[in-house]
Amino acid sequence: DAKTTQPNSMESNEEEPVHLPCNHSTISGTDYIHWYRQLPSQGPEYVIHGLTSNVNNRMASLAIAEDRKSSTLILHRATLRDAAVYYCILTRYAGNNRKLIWGLGTSLAVNP
Amino acid sequence: GAVVSQHPSRVICKSGTSVKIECRSLDFQATTMFWYRQFPKQSLMLMATSNEGSKATYEQGVEKDKFLINHASLTLSTLTVTSAHPEDSSFYICSAFVRTTDTQYFGPGTRLTVL
Repeated sequence: DAKTTQPNSMESNEEEPVHLPCNHSTISGTDYIHWYRQLPSQGPEYVIHGLTSNVNNRMASLAIAEDRKSSTLILHRATLRDAAVYYCILTRYAGNNRKLIWGLGTSLAVNP
Repeated sequence: GAVVSQHPSRVICKSGTSVKIECRSLDFQATTMFWYRQFPKQSLMLMATSNEGSKATYEQGVEKDKFLINHASLTLSTLTVTSAHPEDSSFYICSAFVRTTDTQYFGPGTRLTVL
């Protein structure tokens, strides 16, 4: 199974941009890159996903390298509510289902 | 976005008893739901894939007779932890797969404590 590598932790200041990196050097051509985040004692929350092109939504932007071996989640203006563990995940079909392969994630701290 | 609920949010039970956890997709139908377990400061571990109207597919090392999964409708999957023991204490999370967006949406989780 293709795995992802993320820094264990990162720190940011409120209202500043945050760039969360993820390496996935063994990604296959059909793997999607998903990002989720999880607050303590809560279920993960979907953030964004993409395949090859950069993606934007109301929560964040996803920048995918041309060779797809890395990606970066961009929070344009961090708020205190963005403090969470961010997971970069590759998804692939296992039979008819998309199976998520979870890493350890990056714990993001946001300073006021 | 799609909303998934879980019930109960927290449960404490005695060793040897069984506990049922419900996972519901509130505003959409989900033919596929997933059950995860998460221990403190660890990542999510997939336990099983639940498909509506068929048997669940369990991950290696997960006992199917201990963790019974029933996906009887397009909006409900249940996980029953049978003969629970203290080592089963964990945070159990379900998710529902939405094919049109190729995305899993997660429930808020259930904290199980077995005394």
